[in-house]
Amino acid sequence: DAKTTQPPSMDCAEGRAANLPCNHSTISGNEYVYWYRQIHSQGPQYIIHGLKNNETNEMASLIITEDRKSSTLILPHATLRDTAVYYCIVRVATGGGADGLTFGKGTHLIIQP
Amino acid sequence: EPEVTQTPSHQVTQMGQEVILRCVPISNHLYFYWYRQILGQKVEFLVSFYNNEISEKSEIFDDQFSVERPDGSNFTLKIRSTKLEDSAMYFCASSENGLSGNTIYFGEGSWLTVV
Repeated sequence: DAKTTQPPSMDCAEGRAANLPCNHSTISGNEYVYWYRQIHSQGPQYIIHGLKNNETNEMASLIITEDRKSSTLILPHATLRDTAVYYCIVRVATGGGADGLTFGKGTHLIIQP
Repeated sequence: EPEVTQTPSHQVTQMGQEVILRCVPISNHLYFYWYRQILGQKVEFLVSFYNNEISEKSEIFDDQFSVERPDGSNFTLKIRSTKLEDSAMYFCASSENGLSGNTIYFGEGSWLTVV
């Protein structure tokens, strides 16, 4: 599995944009970058994923560098409910097999009032 | 929005007892997964299941664990003889297919306490 590196924790003021970085320098050309978050001990919640292009949905934006060695998850207007552990995951493509997700320790994002 | 549902939300069991955790995956999904998270630790992959067979399993998924799809909707994880170290949150997940670009959706988990 391509390894990811994330800062262990980050703070962000409520209402500001939260920018969460992730390094994945060994990513392969057919591997996607996924972001999930986990609020307290709830189930991991899917946020967004991308391959090469930047992506945006109702929750967040994903910016992937041109060389694909790093990415940034952007929460445009963070709220207190966005306090969670955020996981950046590179998903291995196994050609049709049921490859799972390998979770690291993630970034604990704390939104400050 | 369709979701993965799990029961029970919390179960306490005595060491050595058998436990069955149940999951209802999203209805049009074909790939199913179990993960676990020991308190304070990372989410760990246990097993994936497709077409009534195990597709992949981790080192954690030893002979005391088994999975089954007993009918068209349920997906179960059985732990035959529970140990104290099996205490964890167990997450079921599903995806439409097993390809890298297809999203895996998780349930809210079943918290297992072995005493």
